[in-house]
Amino acid sequence: QQQVKQSPQSLIVQKGGISIINCAYENTAFDYFPWYQQFPGKGPALLIAIRPDVSEKKEGRFTISFNKSAKQFSLHIMDSQPGDSATYFCAASGSGTYKYIFGTGTRLKVLA
Amino acid sequence: SQTIHQWPATLVQPVGSPLSLECTVEGTSNPNLYWYRQAAGRGLQLLFYSVGIGQISSEVPQNLSASRPQDRQFILSSKKLLLSDSGFYLCAWDRGLAKNIQYFGAGTRLSVL
Repeated sequence: QQQVKQSPQSLIVQKGGISIINCAYENTAFDYFPWYQQFPGKGPALLIAIRPDVSEKKEGRFTISFNKSAKQFSLHIMDSQPGDSATYFCAASGSGTYKYIFGTGTRLKVLA
Repeated sequence: SQTIHQWPATLVQPVGSPLSLECTVEGTSNPNLYWYRQAAGRGLQLLFYSVGIGQISSEVPQNLSASRPQDRQFILSSKKLLLSDSGFYLCAWDRGLAKNIQYFGAGTRLSVL
């Protein structure tokens, strides 16, 4: 119930393509869904986040799509660039706790 | 502005030696503080979190302990390191409110040999 399942584990995309990473959760009490970006040897940094009262949030080339009934959310990176090569983590929180439940991460490589 | 400091950046320790990693947050008060471990190629495992001075919650049984001697200081310790303690340790903080952003430090790469 507390897990967040993330897929794929790794992803290779050509420059200019669309990168899509998916996450699914079970706990319907989750009400905050952030995505973090982590470069090698660095700490994760918040990329974009969504709350369940909206189905989509866009910030530049990054979009979160949220499907409350399916308990799924995904990150879309449009016009992927080599500089986007990093590990991406989805997370969920809520249910009266401050804690995040993180997905297992997706290692994205964008080929030049 | 708020900043989080974590040190050391890298550490190589022999098996059986003690460990002390420190994390401090500046520019805020009463933060929630978190210690995570990230094994190579794996996700973020929450080890400990703290909502106040002296208040520590452990998420998984292990060879590590945490302490919060001051409001913005969080320490991760071990009396005797194991090989399995190797990993990338991350400290994080948030404002202690619901639906809030966690901010991560730069991490400590620990190698136990």
